[in-house]
Amino acid sequence: QVHLVESGGGLVKPGGSLRLSCAASGFSFGDYYMDWIRQAPGKGLEWVSSISNSGGSLNYADSLKGRFTVSRDNAKNSLFLQMNSLRAEDTAVYYCARAGLGHNSFHLWGQGTVVTVSS
Amino acid sequence: EIVMTQSPATLSVSPGERVTLSCRASQSVSSNLAWYQQKPGQAPSLLIYGASTRATSIPARFSGSGSRTEFTLTISSLQSEDFAVYYCQQYNNWPLTFGGGTKVEIK
Repeated sequence: QVHLVESGGGLVKPGGSLRLSCAASGFSFGDYYMDWIRQAPGKGLEWVSSISNSGGSLNYADSLKGRFTVSRDNAKNSLFLQMNSLRAEDTAVYYCARAGLGHNSFHLWGQGTVVTVSS
Repeated sequence: EIVMTQSPATLSVSPGERVTLSCRASQSVSSNLAWYQQKPGQAPSLLIYGASTRATSIPARFSGSGSRTEFTLTISSLQSEDFAVYYCQQYNNWPLTFGGGTKVEIK
């Protein structure tokens, strides 16, 4: 069965760092672009970052201003998001998602991991 | 950045009614448009991609149409399990962007 499971969320102080992970199973992970999408409490969806199947192409939301870094390990079927200089406005549920083949709509979502930035 | 605008923000509907949700892009996204459904406490799920192609296992009562800047999601006969928030998303240009969502609630 195809699955995405995020982990690594938690409570962090402003200015701190956190590394999120997403474990994939049930499909050929290395064939797909993978993305991170977040949702602040009571708000809509915000795309965060995308990484190509090989890891050679990276894209980020303009609002992140270089604070976040996406990476992947195809041998371990894993996706990562390194988040630095965290701010209160980064508080959200972070979802990992698998894109379709050849297009960036999101066909498979994880259940999300909660990141809370607060002193 | 392409801005996606959804209307209305909230729709009050009775079961069995036909529902039409709108999504407008600030510039052409061709047919690179997806629709998602999100129920409370759950992750979103894909309904439609390519503006009009239903995702796997999506019932035929859901249909998508439109191109370039104007798109529509239609639910032909609303079922109880369809009360949710619906989002559109363009994937024609980076950064990828979502609309603000339309909440479909029980009338």
